[in-house]
Amino acid sequence: QKEVEQNSGPLSVPEGAIASLNCTYSDRGSQSFFWYRQYSGKSPELIMSIYSNGDKEDGRFTAQLNKASQYVSLLIRDSQPSDSATYLCAVNSPTASKLTFGTGTRLQVTL
Amino acid sequence: DVKVTQSSRYLVKRTGEKVFLECVQDMDHENMFWYRQDPGLGLRLIYFSYDVKMKEKGDIPEGYSVSREKKERFSLILESASTNQTSMYLCASTSPGRRTPSGRHTGELFFGEGSRLTVL
Repeated sequence: QKEVEQNSGPLSVPEGAIASLNCTYSDRGSQSFFWYRQYSGKSPELIMSIYSNGDKEDGRFTAQLNKASQYVSLLIRDSQPSDSATYLCAVNSPTASKLTFGTGTRLQVTL
Repeated sequence: DVKVTQSSRYLVKRTGEKVFLECVQDMDHENMFWYRQDPGLGLRLIYFSYDVKMKEKGDIPEGYSVSREKKERFSLILESASTNQTSMYLCASTSPGRRTPSGRHTGELFFGEGSRLTVL
């Protein structure tokens, strides 16, 4: 079982719709969870972090964490073509200060 | 803003050559990391360092070594490049001083632009 799992996609949503990206992780002791966005040919950039169960909202982005079910999700409201990118889920290893990344979900926002 | 600078964006090397990839950060971060990124495999950690002259193996250290002589600089070395080391290499840094509500360290990484290495 992979430590951090994501559906590779592509996930295709029309402009203006809600995009829902999901991530599951295997280590129950994980404490910190992150979503990075990576445009083609560019390096990842942090867009959301979440540490406690529940929802965290930042503009059009909402991160949701459920530690009991070991999943974290990212919702993008009013999706724009500029949101088309690969979204990487990352989870902090509790035994060392390093992140484990999922393989990413490619999001395509269509006009 | 944090700036992480990688010395070369694109490199082409021949099998058996020694390759140096340099990374410099300007935010006095203690922690620095080298990842490689390959299609379908995601980001995989090669080596990381918590302090000057300290290094720890990541998930795929074979064929690589690192050097951290100064806090701001973390170098990745391929002693004898092979074709299976053709990849995108990403350097990142973070400060361990940021804590979560539970007291654990966070991992908000700041990445460099990446170095795309092709080994022929």
